[in-house]
Amino acid sequence: DAMVIQNPRYQVTQFGKPVTLSCSQTLNHNVMYWYQQKSSQAPKLLFHYYDKDFNNEADTPDNFQSRRPNTSFCFLDIRSPGLGDAAMYLCATSRVRGSGDQETQYFGPGTRLLVL
Amino acid sequence: TQLLEQSPQFLSIQEGENLTVYCNSSSVFSSLQWYRQEPGEGPVLLVTVVTGGEVKKLKRLTFQFGDARKDSSLHITAAQPGDTGLYLCAGAPSGGSNYKLTFGKGTLLTVNP
Repeated sequence: DAMVIQNPRYQVTQFGKPVTLSCSQTLNHNVMYWYQQKSSQAPKLLFHYYDKDFNNEADTPDNFQSRRPNTSFCFLDIRSPGLGDAAMYLCATSRVRGSGDQETQYFGPGTRLLVL
Repeated sequence: TQLLEQSPQFLSIQEGENLTVYCNSSSVFSSLQWYRQEPGEGPVLLVTVVTGGEVKKLKRLTFQFGDARKDSSLHITAAQPGDTGLYLCAGAPSGGSNYKLTFGKGTLLTVNP
């Protein structure tokens, strides 16, 4: 059974045309992450939500925004995609216990974004 | 800033050979996760190691967590073409309020028939 679901799996957009990628989870995890991954490289963290608290990475461009309307869903908005934003976008979730210890992160299948 | 050095970055071997991938750090991790990723897919969790000195086996894959929880290795015995993929190690920080994984750069493994 799918635990972290991403839609769509493939997204084609035009240069400068806003696009939204979605992620949902059935794990009831309190932390959700968005990563950008380029060919055969490690995923690069863009931002994450701990419950409703948004945490942006210092080097994430302003062009990238995120929303988490509830525990299960998280969205990645790219306001004006450039050619350099073509990549695989991965959503992941994990549970952080009250002790502060982080449990395993589980990834979705990813959305491959193509910018024309 | 925690760093996780993963080696080798690229590995191309023949079917039936053995191989080992290493992840090393000067930082202590509360746990370390290994993922395998196939082209066009998200990383799939292989194993999480938590205890220093822990050894876990998954069929032909053997994972070890260093005694000091600063390093880990993945050993594959008798590699098969289906093992081809990008292997990622990722460490979870020890303590504090940092909920981000530190990733190694990945090992791109190709197993030729």
